[in-house]
Amino acid sequence: EVVLTQSPGTLSLSPGERATLSCRASESVSGTFLAWYQQKHGQAPRLLIYGASSRATGVPDRFSGSGSGTDFTLTISRLEPEDFAVYYCQQYVISPQTFGQGTKLEIK
Amino acid sequence: EVQLVQSGAEVKKPGESLKISCKTYGYSFTNFWIGWVRQMPGKGLQWMGVIYPGDSDTKYNPSFEGQVSISADRSISTAYLQWRSLKASDTAIYYCARHNGGSYSPRFPDYWGQGTLVTVSS
Repeated sequence: EVVLTQSPGTLSLSPGERATLSCRASESVSGTFLAWYQQKHGQAPRLLIYGASSRATGVPDRFSGSGSGTDFTLTISRLEPEDFAVYYCQQYVISPQTFGQGTKLEIK
Repeated sequence: EVQLVQSGAEVKKPGESLKISCKTYGYSFTNFWIGWVRQMPGKGLQWMGVIYPGDSDTKYNPSFEGQVSISADRSISTAYLQWRSLKASDTAIYYCARHNGGSYSPRFPDYWGQGTLVTVSS
């Protein structure tokens, strides 16, 4: 199965700063079959990005995704207080679908 | 509006059976894959498998195949996850999720249920 490795494990930043989260795949995720999710404590995951760079409906434009092949990035341009959460990447081209282990974005 | 509403929390003993449900609203149930994702306490997300209600085609993560069964009832737009014999290690939150994409292959989960907490303890 495709192993997704996210870095860093924890990212400590302040509101207003820029966040850069990384996701690396153990083999090529054919094209851009990669998604990003946000999960807040006690809530279900929420789709943010699909196709590596397409924002889901209702997702603010401060969230952006990029990358292809084995290296992908989620960028939050200016952090808002509600953005502090856990973020997961997921590949959906090779079965079984797999998730990264998550990056916790915490307030500094 | 697309909604997935899951059944309530369960407390079971090892060896017992269980079937949890995910009732869907606001879209054509037979035209989208729907599946299940496990989240063990304090851990990340694990994709368990999906079913296409249109023809009951089912795909499992090998790690879960034989341990659980995924099914669907088209008449009530509801998906199910079932265990024959629970283990303490099945303790987790289970999310159902609609998967985008056509009948050929499931794509990304786009809408999620609220989660069902399953606790297995003697």
